[in-house]
Amino acid sequence: LAKTTQPISMDSYEGQEVNITCSHNNIATNDYITWYQQFPSQGPRFIIQGYKTKVTNEVASLFIPADRKSSTLSLPRVSLSDTAVYYCLVGLDNYGQNFVFGPGTRLSVLP
Amino acid sequence: DTAVSQTPKYLVTQMGNDKSIKCEQNLGHDTMYWYKQDSKKFLKIMFSYNNKELIINETVPNRFSPKSPDKAHLNLHINSLELGDSAVYFCASSQDTGGGGEQYFGPGTRLTVT
Repeated sequence: LAKTTQPISMDSYEGQEVNITCSHNNIATNDYITWYQQFPSQGPRFIIQGYKTKVTNEVASLFIPADRKSSTLSLPRVSLSDTAVYYCLVGLDNYGQNFVFGPGTRLSVLP
Repeated sequence: DTAVSQTPKYLVTQMGNDKSIKCEQNLGHDTMYWYKQDSKKFLKIMFSYNNKELIINETVPNRFSPKSPDKAHLNLHINSLELGDSAVYFCASSQDTGGGGEQYFGPGTRLTVT
């Protein structure tokens, strides 16, 4: 089981770039790294997913070093609406392992 | 159109009762999940179904039973409710069964057991 470790909370200001790092030292060969965002009273929402190097979409970038033991979610120019909890999830193969989201990182964007 | 829907949104009941939470997805996905988010906000998978077969069955009490009449529905039935069952339950679906697939979550059902 690939356990993840993230900072409990982070503060930022509008317009800044935010980087949230997740450690997953025992990631397995077949595991993808996925990030979700959750607003209060809502279900988590997929942000980005990657396996190695760098992935970018219209919302964020995901940086994964060669050893894949960590990953960094980068949110460019955050706004107040980006205030949420961000979960790093190290997904598994199809047989019998857990999807454990971990406590996530509570990002507060200040004006 | 709502991709993943759950009913009810709120459920308040007494200890010992039996209740069900319904989930439907209109995305045509092959796999559906149930998650429990406790008061500390930890989100943990309980069950998943792929083509009406249980493929992940976490160590949850057998008072919890998932039932899937078809691949668009995965209902959660809970017998003999206990105080510790109070939580938010999320249904989700994905096209892939493993970690390579994006999961779409429903809005959640807040269960309160008194």
